[in-house]
Amino acid sequence: GQQVMQIPQYQHVQEGEDFTTYCNSSTTLSNIQWYKQRPGGHPVFLIQLVKSGEVKKQKRLTFQFGEAKKNSSLHITATQTTDVGTYFCAVNYGGSQGNLIFGKGTKLSVKP
Amino acid sequence: GAGVSQSPSNKVTEKGKDVELRCDPISGHTALYWYRQSLGQGLEFLIYFQGNSAPDKSGLPSDRFSAERTGGSVSTLTIQRTQQEDSAVYLCASSFLQGDNQPQHFGDGTRLSIL
Repeated sequence: GQQVMQIPQYQHVQEGEDFTTYCNSSTTLSNIQWYKQRPGGHPVFLIQLVKSGEVKKQKRLTFQFGEAKKNSSLHITATQTTDVGTYFCAVNYGGSQGNLIFGKGTKLSVKP
Repeated sequence: GAGVSQSPSNKVTEKGKDVELRCDPISGHTALYWYRQSLGQGLEFLIYFQGNSAPDKSGLPSDRFSAERTGGSVSTLTIQRTQQEDSAVYLCASSFLQGDNQPQHFGDGTRLSIL
């Protein structure tokens, strides 16, 4: 079945350092969503990207969608301890499918 | 309610027993999704409902798993003859409409432990 590759699997940073996670697909995506799951919590929707080359910002978070709509990235500037958690991308290839396909996630830990 | 509600929050049962997990979606949300998340892993899609119908059952791991939704609202996921490998957190999500541009809102999950 269709899969989406998310890297890295883990990332350990010092507070104040930047962080980036990448999501890659071998086929063109209809759109991509990003979710954050805090330790012990449930995934929470962050944002959706739809257009080729789209860039969206939420405070210290920058989300990008590739020109070919096959990859995306989430970049956090100057990480804080509150950024700790697992970041998932979730993709839909369009058509009649209603379900999202989630990446395996990138687990971010931040050392104060 | 204000969010997706799942019950029970924790369930411990013996191997071979049947379990029933419940999900109450956000009021007005027509699409409902079930996922399974093993410890430290990603989300494994199980099934989704649009209204009361389930167009996609492809993710159910075996015929021991079944789900239903009545009245376009509450859904139950039933696992028969549970096995130890069924131990995981079962997450439910709902969205306003079924479709590829709808954010999903997750419940807190049911942590299932099979002894």
